[in-house]
Amino acid sequence: QSVLTQPASVSGSPGQSITLSCTGTSSDVGSYKFVSWYQQHPGKAPKLIIYEVSNRPSGVSNRFSGSKSGNTASLTISGLQAEDEADYWCSSFTSSNTFVFGDGTKVTVL
Amino acid sequence: EVQLLESGGGLVQPGGSLRLSCAASGFSFSSYALSWVRQAPGMGLEWVSAITGRSEATYYADSVKGRFTIARDSSKNTLYLQMDSLRAEDTAVYYCAREKSGSGSYYGSLESWGQGTLVTVSS
Repeated sequence: QSVLTQPASVSGSPGQSITLSCTGTSSDVGSYKFVSWYQQHPGKAPKLIIYEVSNRPSGVSNRFSGSKSGNTASLTISGLQAEDEADYWCSSFTSSNTFVFGDGTKVTVL
Repeated sequence: EVQLLESGGGLVQPGGSLRLSCAASGFSFSSYALSWVRQAPGMGLEWVSAITGRSEATYYADSVKGRFTIARDSSKNTLYLQMDSLRAEDTAVYYCAREKSGSGSYYGSLESWGQGTLVTVSS
């Protein structure tokens, strides 16, 4: 099972917007709405921030938004804040009835 | 409050076995699919296995198929992961995670996570 492709790092200044990409194939991201995004701070468990491509769980800031086009999903963080500095992981359901995670993006707030 | 508490990790030799447990509380256990996700030190997340709410179906990553077995006991509100024929590459923190949807099916929307238990496979 191949991992989904994410940029290794993305950075931005406070208040800016940044977009993280997650590229898969027609066997995963391109065919299913079950794409999720997770935020992970060092030493902590991951936290679900987007599910089913664009839905936010209760309590997650509306500064986080998700979308998908073809085989690529995207996470946009608007109004970047210091607390957004973390690792971000995407995941997708696959045609094999399994799940696959992306290789992760480290977000740095300058 | 949803709580997931993993246990059973430790040091094991290559080829050995270990059983992880995840004690769940704060929700209707049988209504939610559960998954195991692992993270090798300094590395990314890897989905390992999932089981539907009433154990109708189980799913495994290719990397563990035939070696790991997922199960759940609704009388004890506990999820298990039996790990056999362990390899060095199985070394990781293993997380137990609960689906967001209470339908019993699994969609990979893992809303609640435990703090993880470390498994080290080394001689």
